[in-house]
Amino acid sequence: DQQVKQNSPSLSVQEGRISILNCDYTNSMFDYFLWYKKYPAEGPTFLISISSIKDKNEDGRFTVFLNKSAKHLSLHIVPSQPGDSAVYFCAASAERGGADGLTFGKGTHLIIQP
Amino acid sequence: DGGITQSPKYLFRKEGQNVTLSCEQNLNHDAMYWYRQDPGQGLRLIYYSQIVNDFQKGDIAEGYSVSREKKESFPLTVTSAQKNPTAFYLCASSTLAGAREQFFGPGTRLTVL
Repeated sequence: DQQVKQNSPSLSVQEGRISILNCDYTNSMFDYFLWYKKYPAEGPTFLISISSIKDKNEDGRFTVFLNKSAKHLSLHIVPSQPGDSAVYFCAASAERGGADGLTFGKGTHLIIQP
Repeated sequence: DGGITQSPKYLFRKEGQNVTLSCEQNLNHDAMYWYRQDPGQGLRLIYYSQIVNDFQKGDIAEGYSVSREKKESFPLTVTSAQKNPTAFYLCASSTLAGAREQFFGPGTRLTVL
């Protein structure tokens, strides 16, 4: 039973346009969400996060939107650049008084085309 | 230069043998984690530790064991009881207070022959 779902295994976007990556979750206890970027045979790199008390968080070209009622979040990258080509993982955490690990989606492979 | 190191990068093992994967961090983080990634899958939590000499099972702990004798180190042993050990293993660490971002090492690719 997947608690974090990324329903698009891949996404192709033209360079300079906006990339929108989507993520849905089912566990209402999740209160903190993160996006990671990963290249093959490397560890994931943290990109941006959002707490459930917010609906938007922005950092440079990256913006994450959270819709709690729909249990949906999205990552917007604008403008998209060739170096953005990677696999993006959505992850979630529930407040349990301690750091007990993240729950990851299966990832979306973003391909930026010139 | 703070970070997380995992060694070796590639590891080969014969079926039936135990193997230990190394993870060291100099970020002064209290919590450490082990995840496994399979092709087309997300990361799945194997074990985590919030403090020295204490650790908890994650979602897929069967066939694995860990120790946390030092704050900086969290080695993972893949035992012969693990039915499908071939995978990419990732170690991570984080603080316990405030933001919950986890920082990952470069990973170890384990192949069972």
